[in-house]
Amino acid sequence: EIVLTQSPGTLSLSPGERATLSCRASQSVGSSYLAWYQQKAGQAPRLLIYGAATRATGIPDRFSGSGSGTDFTLTISRLEPEDFAVYYCQQYGRSPWTFGQGTKVEIK
Amino acid sequence: QVQLVQSGAEVKKPGASVKVSCKSSGPSFSAYYMHWVRQAPGHRLEWMGWINPSSGATSYAQMFQDRVSMTRDPSLRTTCMELSSLTSDDTAVYYCVRMSPNDSLVWGQGTLVTVSS
Repeated sequence: EIVLTQSPGTLSLSPGERATLSCRASQSVGSSYLAWYQQKAGQAPRLLIYGAATRATGIPDRFSGSGSGTDFTLTISRLEPEDFAVYYCQQYGRSPWTFGQGTKVEIK
Repeated sequence: QVQLVQSGAEVKKPGASVKVSCKSSGPSFSAYYMHWVRQAPGHRLEWMGWINPSSGATSYAQMFQDRVSMTRDPSLRTTCMELSSLTSDDTAVYYCVRMSPNDSLVWGQGTLVTVSS
């Protein structure tokens, strides 16, 4: 099974700042089947990025994904108040699907 | 446009079973495996297994192997996940998830299952 490790665990930033979130896989993620989600309390995960770098429908362009192989990054160029949430990465290239433990982006 | 609509919230007693359904609309019902994922309060997302809607073949995560069953009814475009021998640790939101033709992912809205005596 592919283990995904996200860092940092918590990111304390101010609105307008840039956020850089990391997701490292224990082995190569096939065909860049790597997704990023945003989750707020009591809500379902919201798909942000799939295929490592493609924004899902309706996702603002301040969200971008990059990386391949075992190292992936989610960047939020300028944090808006509604961006403070927990972010998860997921690999869906190999069974079993696996998820990272999450990065919490909190207001500094 | 693929959409997944799940059945409503459930409250079960310890030892009981629960069955959650997921109805698919849009193209390619049988073309993509349906996966089930759960999230217990305060925990990360956890993959439970998949079912091939075309053949009915399944693959389950080892931790659920002995008490999960996934089925499908192509005529109703519906897949189901049944979990037995429930304990309080199974209190979670359960999601069905599948890929779409452009390699994106589509999620159901989630079904809260509460296990309480």
